[in-house]
Amino acid sequence: EAQVTQNPRYLITVTGKKLTVTCSQNMNHEYMSWYRQDPGLGLRQIYYSMNVEVTDKGDVPEGYKVSRKEKRNFPLILESPSPNQTSLYFCASSLSTGTGSVDEQYFGPGTRLTVT
Amino acid sequence: GESVGLHLPTLSVQEGDNSIINCAYSNSASDYFIWYKQESGKGPQFIIDIRSNMDKRQGQRVTVLLNKTVKHLSLQIAATQPGDSAVYFCAENLSGTYKYIFGTGTRLKVLA
Repeated sequence: EAQVTQNPRYLITVTGKKLTVTCSQNMNHEYMSWYRQDPGLGLRQIYYSMNVEVTDKGDVPEGYKVSRKEKRNFPLILESPSPNQTSLYFCASSLSTGTGSVDEQYFGPGTRLTVT
Repeated sequence: GESVGLHLPTLSVQEGDNSIINCAYSNSASDYFIWYKQESGKGPQFIIDIRSNMDKRQGQRVTVLLNKTVKHLSLQIAATQPGDSAVYFCAENLSGTYKYIFGTGTRLKVLA
């Protein structure tokens, strides 16, 4: 089954304790992206990756890191989480059109992160 | 369910009626637009898309209309069903970029 998977689905942690949220897709998509979703703000793009070893900042990259060493995986790293990073996080993947844009994105089920 | 639906505008429709959900997008340079549906506790799911060289596109029970003059996008759902109850988001892709901008969403409630 074609899908995007995220782990963990729920995480409660404390301020400053490094964490990684994994994302994996089995559709051979070039493009992957991370979003956070907060009440009243919709989905905001954190980072995206156009292909292996190619990443770029979205609208809200502060406090986050990503890496894209393999095509299928795109982990989101919070080196020193803070309470304002409490949110619902989604990973997504898409085929690249090759013309500087992408097609529809397929989203994972989400990771609910709480930082105390 | 998740709390992301708080403070969202809500559209309530009777089962069987047509629904129209509107979205004002932000950037005149955007050339690709998508509607997503998000059910409680799940990730957004693609519904339909449209590129800026079109003003209308139809799918199964759904139609997207694009008015570039006023930067407006709408999603029409025909014969709305209880399973259509969800939060609906529009998204725009800035031309020549890999960036997406999402709207804040509209909650659709289908009344039996």
